[in-house]
Amino acid sequence: AQKVTQAQTEISVVEKEDVTLDCVYETRDTTYYLFWYKQPPSGELVFLIRRNSFDEQNEISGRYSWNFQKSTSSFNFTITASQVVDSAVYFCALSGRKDGANSKLTFGKGITLSVRP
Amino acid sequence: DAMVIQNPRYQVTQFGKPVTLSCSQTLNHNVMYWYQQKSSQAPKLLFHYYDKDFNNEADTPDNFQSRRPNTSFCFLDIRSPGLGDAAMYLCATSREDSYEQYFGPGTRLTVT
Repeated sequence: AQKVTQAQTEISVVEKEDVTLDCVYETRDTTYYLFWYKQPPSGELVFLIRRNSFDEQNEISGRYSWNFQKSTSSFNFTITASQVVDSAVYFCALSGRKDGANSKLTFGKGITLSVRP
Repeated sequence: DAMVIQNPRYQVTQFGKPVTLSCSQTLNHNVMYWYQQKSSQAPKLLFHYYDKDFNNEADTPDNFQSRRPNTSFCFLDIRSPGLGDAAMYLCATSREDSYEQYFGPGTRLTVT
């Protein structure tokens, strides 16, 4: 069975602070895929990143960076110099190899990030 | 812009009165998903279509049905909504050879 744990439920920071959102996962699959999605108040889930289990290279995209550590089964997400527009719920998700065409996502419970001006 | 569209954004229905939510996509993806997301919870997959092949999740209640008349459109039918079915319903699409899912803005369903 697959499981994603986002132990933090709510985080509040002041604008320009850096913030790290934690994600720990469990899977028996040797090949798997990790994702982060952002859900702003409007409700739409916005895809941020996918990381393959066989690629442990960390990634940076503007103010966003992701740290994948297979040894600790973690896929943490850092926002540098946070902005009010970063306020949203952030979901970490896990998918194993496709079952047919279904890339079934197992989501964590989400972290509500509030960035105050 | 290619996108996933859900209408309406807000839907109010009465207890027991059938309701249909719609999803359309311009991405030409052959896989479409329906998720239910209750307040402060993660999205929960109800079912998905791979082209015309319907795949139900084992724990999806019979009260929930779906139709996909063509590649672009997919409908979620709730035959007899209960108060516990009030939630955000999210539609998503993906290509068969890809792991990314692209979500619509959701329909928030209220049951009175």
